[in-house]
Amino acid sequence: DARVTQTPRDKVTEMGQEVTMRCQPILGHNTVFWYRQTMMQGLELLAYFRNRAPLDDSGMPKDRFSAEMPDATLATLKIQPSEPRDSAVYFCASALGLAGGNEQFFGPGTRLTVL
Amino acid sequence: GDSVTQMEGPVTLSEEAFLTINCTYTATGYPSLFWYVQYPGEGLQLLLKATKADDKGSNKGFEATYRKETTSFHLEKGSVQVSDSAVYFCALTANTGNQFYFGTGTSLTVIP
Repeated sequence: DARVTQTPRDKVTEMGQEVTMRCQPILGHNTVFWYRQTMMQGLELLAYFRNRAPLDDSGMPKDRFSAEMPDATLATLKIQPSEPRDSAVYFCASALGLAGGNEQFFGPGTRLTVL
Repeated sequence: GDSVTQMEGPVTLSEEAFLTINCTYTATGYPSLFWYVQYPGEGLQLLLKATKADDKGSNKGFEATYRKETTSFHLEKGSVQVSDSAVYFCALTANTGNQFYFGTGTSLTVIP
């Protein structure tokens, strides 16, 4: 049963520290998404990649956030330095493209708490 | 631009009640429409979808029909269960596959 995996599942850190979240998309999926979910803002798209190239990162605070795909099996989201307002659940999702009604498959999320 | 508007929550129903969660969309062309469900502590997962007008998506007793004339994709279930308590998201993908939008989510609580 193919699924998206994310690590860590939970992360507690101090303000100012670097945080790296990792995602392994479903094998063969060429489109990868990063979302952030909070009670106040709901689900927000941070960035997404197709064939490892960033297509849209307009939702991401550029000064502290960065997203990359070092290879087709790994996507990373980094926050440096972290701030308390970054506390949220971060979801990775992958898809076999989006045309033709293909769905996004979501990982279980990384719950980040910045103290 | 394209967008999705869904019913504000939260919604609280008694077990076996009828459920409707409204979703309307704005799009050019013929988008694909989706309902995703998020159970507590989990990521979103696809509940059902429809890719062309008049298609009906169905799964786990839930149904939604793609209505182009009313630009709607309302989610319905005839008899909800406690286990249906979750947040439901309506979503749209443009037919080009390059744009996609999620609604704000509707929280459903079903009480015994």
